[in-house]
Formats: sequence, structure tokens, C-alpha cells
Amino acid sequence: NAGVTQTPKFQVLKTGQSMTLQCAQDMNHEYMSWYRQDPGMGLRLIHYSVGAGITDQGEVPNGYNVSRSTTEDFPLRLLSAAPSQTSVYFCASTQKDREGETQYFGPGTRLLVL
Amino acid sequence: AQSVTQLDSHVSVSEGTPVLLRCNYSSSYSPSLFWYVQHPNKGLQLLLKYTSAATLVKGINGFEAEFKKSETSFHLTKPSAHMSDAAEYFCVVSDLWGKLIFGQGTELSVKP
Repeated sequence: NAGVTQTPKFQVLKTGQSMTLQCAQDMNHEYMSWYRQDPGMGLRLIHYSVGAGITDQGEVPNGYNVSRSTTEDFPLRLLSAAPSQTSVYFCASTQKDREGETQYFGPGTRLLVL
Repeated sequence: AQSVTQLDSHVSVSEGTPVLLRCNYSSSYSPSLFWYVQHPNKGLQLLLKYTSAATLVKGINGFEAEFKKSETSFHLTKPSAHMSDAAEYFCVVSDLWGKLIFGQGTELSVKP
């Protein structure tokens, strides 16, 4: 298994540009989520999905869109990038079993908006 | 609603001495709790998790944590720090739907 993969690893955008951060997992997990990490603030939930076709907002959803057309993929879209979206973005998928939950994180995408 | 508070933003220890990273949580039901570690410019690695089994949870690299319901705490400990333990540590609580709520992080420094 490749686990959770994210592309790109690093991206520079100009204010107002749009882009899509890709996330994929090959573990057949139903639950996936996107977080952003900013200094001194831990990770904050942007959007999450409990299965294909189902998404919902997290703590900081403004400026971001998501869709979940397949179990494997959960892309995050920035429609009009702003400097406040400069951050490190992590995608995660969750395995739920008898032992509880285990989250698997991708390696992250570092985004700089100028 | 759940929340988690890491009581120290920065902890500094000498190599070979014990490590204690403190975490308090708030939850209206029996929570799932986790500790993650993040080395500089790296992703997150799960150290250990508590999911209502044994209250003393052993993790990787010699770390362990004890769930204390009466104190609403889930402190992370290690008997002897190693230089490679220098990193940022996150205490995390999970809600009923699997959403994670992160603490603000504790940066651990290890002096030679």
C-alpha cells in the first residue's frame, strides 16, 4: 500500500490564482479529511468526508471547496488564493476497526501565496 | 464539544532525563485520545492511542501515556530522553465521527 499520497509537495501561488491539492489513499478508508497547520495553532480541520459523495465543513472551511467522487480521492480546491492561506496542508484517512480509529496522514503540501 | 489543551508550549530536557508532556482534555463522552510527533519539515507520526482499553498505553520509541479520567489528563512520558526525540508533539482527541481536534503542540528540545 502507498498509504496517503499528496501532490504537489510545494506550491507557490499569486493572490487570486486557483489550484487543487490532490490527496489519494489506497486503503479503502471511508473517512478522509483535510487539515491546515499554522505555527502555534496545531492542525485545524478544513473539510471532511465520511464516504463517496458526502462532504462537510470543518473548523476553517472558508476559501476551500472539496468533492469526493470516489473512495480513493479527496481533492481540496482553492478558488481564489489569499496570503492567509499560506500554510502546510495535510490530508488524512481514517481506519475504523475493533481497536478504534487510526488516522493516516499524508506527507503534506507546503503552500505559499504571494 | 471536545477540546484539548497542551499545558506547555515548549519543554527542554537533558539527554537521558525523563520527559513529561502534559495534556488535558474535555469531552462529554469517553474519548479516543492520541499523541502524534512531528519532526521538522516532516509529516505526523502516530506515537500511541487510547481507545477505552488499558489506561496505560505504550507507544513507539519508549513513549507511554496514562489516561486519567478523574483528572481529564493524558500526559505523555518517556523515562530517558534521546536527542532524536527533539520534535513537536501533539495531543489529539477524536469525536464520535472521527474528526480530530488537535492541541496547540509542545516543542520538545533535548540538550546534550
